[in-house]
Amino acid sequence: KAGVTQTPRYLIKTRGQQVTLSCSPISGHRSVSWYQQTPGQGLQFLFEYFSETQRNKGNFPGRFSGRQFSNSRSEMNVSTLELGDSALYLCASSLDVGLGNTIYFGEGSWLTVV
Amino acid sequence: GQNIDQPTEMTATEGAIVQINCTYQTSGFNGLFWYQQHAGEAPTFLSYNVLDGLEEKGRFSSFLSRSKGYSYLLLKELQMKDSASYLCAVRTHQAGTALIFGKGTTLSVSS
Repeated sequence: KAGVTQTPRYLIKTRGQQVTLSCSPISGHRSVSWYQQTPGQGLQFLFEYFSETQRNKGNFPGRFSGRQFSNSRSEMNVSTLELGDSALYLCASSLDVGLGNTIYFGEGSWLTVV
Repeated sequence: GQNIDQPTEMTATEGAIVQINCTYQTSGFNGLFWYQQHAGEAPTFLSYNVLDGLEEKGRFSSFLSRSKGYSYLLLKELQMKDSASYLCAVRTHQAGTALIFGKGTTLSVSS
């Protein structure tokens, strides 16, 4: 079956702009989470959605937001982009929110802010 | 706070065995994951440990000691394709389903 699909794969934005990233989870998976990966900080948790509700949120400023649709697809938005937002944004899905559920990652969206 | 430590880099030879260690200092430990990530690709799931002991899966094994806050990933019969970054991630009761990742260990396998 298809894996986690993220679009776009690569994008370049200017400081101050906003960006929306999209994620389609594995078919049947209802939990979607987002992570930011940078060389300096590694992978850091942004937020998690289940049944269109944000269940968990990491320590990121309010400029980072997300949502989940009824078909489990998710989007994340970053407003007022800063140079430090340049990173790989990874979406991950799991069947449910149970703690033993395996989390599967997409290939990510590479965001460069100039 | 939460702290997860892994060696930054390791090198090994094809056919050898390598052990990648991960130590963590967290409160409310609730499971440990290992992921493999090739450059430019998605992290792929390798193993999950929540109880003490060794989990074996083909060439890869993962060990957990909760009392010591310690885990390792053991890779046997190394192949060139095992050159990748290996990520240790912990779940805690406080963080819920979020994974807290270490910075990763870059493994280089040479012939």
